[in-house]
Amino acid sequence: GDSVTQMEGPVTLSEEAFLTINCTYTATGYPSLFWYVQYPGEGLQLLLKATKADDKGSNKGFEATYRKETTSFHLEKGSVQVSDSAVYFCARGNAGNMLTFGGGTRLMVKP
Amino acid sequence: DAGVIQSPRHEVTEMGQEVTLRCKPISGHDYLFWYRQTMMRGLELLIYFNNNVPIDDSGMPEDRFSAKMPNASFSTLKIQPSEPRDSAVYFCASSDSGTGGGYTFGSGTRLTVV
Repeated sequence: GDSVTQMEGPVTLSEEAFLTINCTYTATGYPSLFWYVQYPGEGLQLLLKATKADDKGSNKGFEATYRKETTSFHLEKGSVQVSDSAVYFCARGNAGNMLTFGGGTRLMVKP
Repeated sequence: DAGVIQSPRHEVTEMGQEVTLRCKPISGHDYLFWYRQTMMRGLELLIYFNNNVPIDDSGMPEDRFSAKMPNASFSTLKIQPSEPRDSAVYFCASSDSGTGGGYTFGSGTRLTVV
């Protein structure tokens, strides 16, 4: 079935470091792709999305490009802050308005 | 819009008691989802509704779990009787199939069964 695979965490970085969190998806159809962020004690929030190949989603300094040829949607940020510490979930859209989530990647940013 | 509203935010109950979690989706959204999140199993889809009708409840762990959506603005998830292994954070999410914009999650209910 459809699936999403994320790099396992935790990812620990120093403030102002460059961030990459890898995400790949099964290539059934042409799904929309999403990144969600979950801050401690809160629900998941939509961070960014892309709906077709070569689209770039961006928000709050985060970016991800829909790469059909590599079935990837890696999340990047040029300079992370302590406030970016959270769990990040990659997801793909499926038929019937369903989302399939990856397992989540915990990011810890140290001052 | 106030977003997806869940209540209570925290619930502590004794084993064997009935627990009811509540959710108010975003007005106009036609899909509603119930998830459970634990450290061990991550995020699990329990059940989802489309236009108030349950579509897939294959994620509901046992008959002790039941969910209802009597109207477009309200849903409940009930556990009866509760057990310590039900301790988790339960999230409700809603979405609008017309926009394809993903889900909006509530803040969750942290359930502790002692």
